[in-house]
This record gives sequence, structure tokens and C-alpha cells, in this order.
Amino acid sequence: KAGVTQTPRYLIKTRGQQVTLSCSPISGHRSVSWYQQTPGQGLQFLFEYFSETQRNKGNFPGRFSGRQFSNSRSEMNVSTLELGDSALYLCASSFGLAGPYNEQFFGPGTRLTVL
Amino acid sequence: QQQVKQSPQSLIVQKGGISIINCAYENTAFDYFPWYQQFPGKGPALLIAIRPDVSEKKEGRFTISFNKSAKQFSLHIMDSQPGDSATYFCAARAGDSSYKLIFGSGTRLLVRP
Repeated sequence: KAGVTQTPRYLIKTRGQQVTLSCSPISGHRSVSWYQQTPGQGLQFLFEYFSETQRNKGNFPGRFSGRQFSNSRSEMNVSTLELGDSALYLCASSFGLAGPYNEQFFGPGTRLTVL
Repeated sequence: QQQVKQSPQSLIVQKGGISIINCAYENTAFDYFPWYQQFPGKGPALLIAIRPDVSEKKEGRFTISFNKSAKQFSLHIMDSQPGDSATYFCAARAGDSSYKLIFGSGTRLLVRP
């Protein structure tokens, strides 16, 4: 069974630009969560999608948005990039909403660098 | 209340020794406590997880100890091996409608040969 895949793996953008990151969950998984990982703030929850609906949202500005398609694939968009958005963006999938009965599996992440 | 405090920040252990990482939380609504292991260049991988109705869970060399009254839980790695060298994250999930995972700040473990 293929794992969670994220594309692209590396991305360099400049301030003010926007970026779209893609995540393909494990086959059969319907929930996709996004996390931002930085050395200073650690792993922070961005949002979770289940059956094309955003179920949960972390404390990030509106510049961060996402969506999920009918095949459970998800995209995350960051508009008007700031230097502080440089991070590893991780996607995780689970069969149902992440929790005790639905283990989350993480992808390798997309390393975003904002210059 | 949504924080999970993890310590130590880094840990050096000799091969064969016991590695212990601790986490504390405040939110009594947390109902799921997983530990993740992350190697450089990889995403976190679930190592072991526990629910608050259990005080201890063991899987191979990895054990979670859970103290509900103290709101603390810890990861013990027995017979630590150089291959265990990685960053470990504890996490907690709120049992209310939010379902999101709150992660600790991570512990960088180095096991010396």
C-alpha cells in the first residue's frame, strides 16, 4: 500500500507570492490533516478535511487555506507569502477523523523556503 | 490549556540504556496520547499511543506510562539502540469536537554506540 505522498518536496518562493501544496492520502483514507513544522514553533495543526469538508482549523491567518477533492486528495494554499512561512508542511491521512481508532500517517512533507 | 509540555529538549543515552521522555498537559478533555518518531527528512511516524483509561502500554522496547491524576505521560525506550536516534514528539488529542492533535516541542535523542 502506497504511503502519503506530497508534492512538490521542495519549493522556493519569494515574499508576496502564493503557493499551492498537494497531498495524496493513503488509498481508502478520507481524512487529511495539514501541519506546519518549524524549529521555533514545532508541529502546529493547520486544518483537517474529511469528506471534502473542513472539520477543524488551527490558529493560522486566513492566508492559509485548503480544500479536499472527492478522491480525498487535498491541496493547501498560502497567499501573500511571508518570510515566517518558511517551514516543512506535513500532510497526514487517516481513515476517519484522527484519533484513537484512526491512526494518522504522515507524508514526507514539502519544504517551503520563502526568500 | 491546549499545550503539551515536553522535556527534555535533547537527550544523550549510551547504547543499552533507558531513554525517558516526559510530557505534561492541562486539558482534561484530551483522550488520546500518541508518540511519534521522526528521522531527518522524514515525516513523523506513529510509535505507540495510549488512552487515559490505561496506565501503561508496552510495545516491544517502547513503553508509555500514563498518570491521569498528575496529567503526565512518558515514553520509555528500553535497551536504546543507535537506530533509535531521532526526534520524538508526544501529542494529545482533545476529545471534544476539535479532534486536532496538539504536539509537544520534541526531544532530540542521540544514542551513542
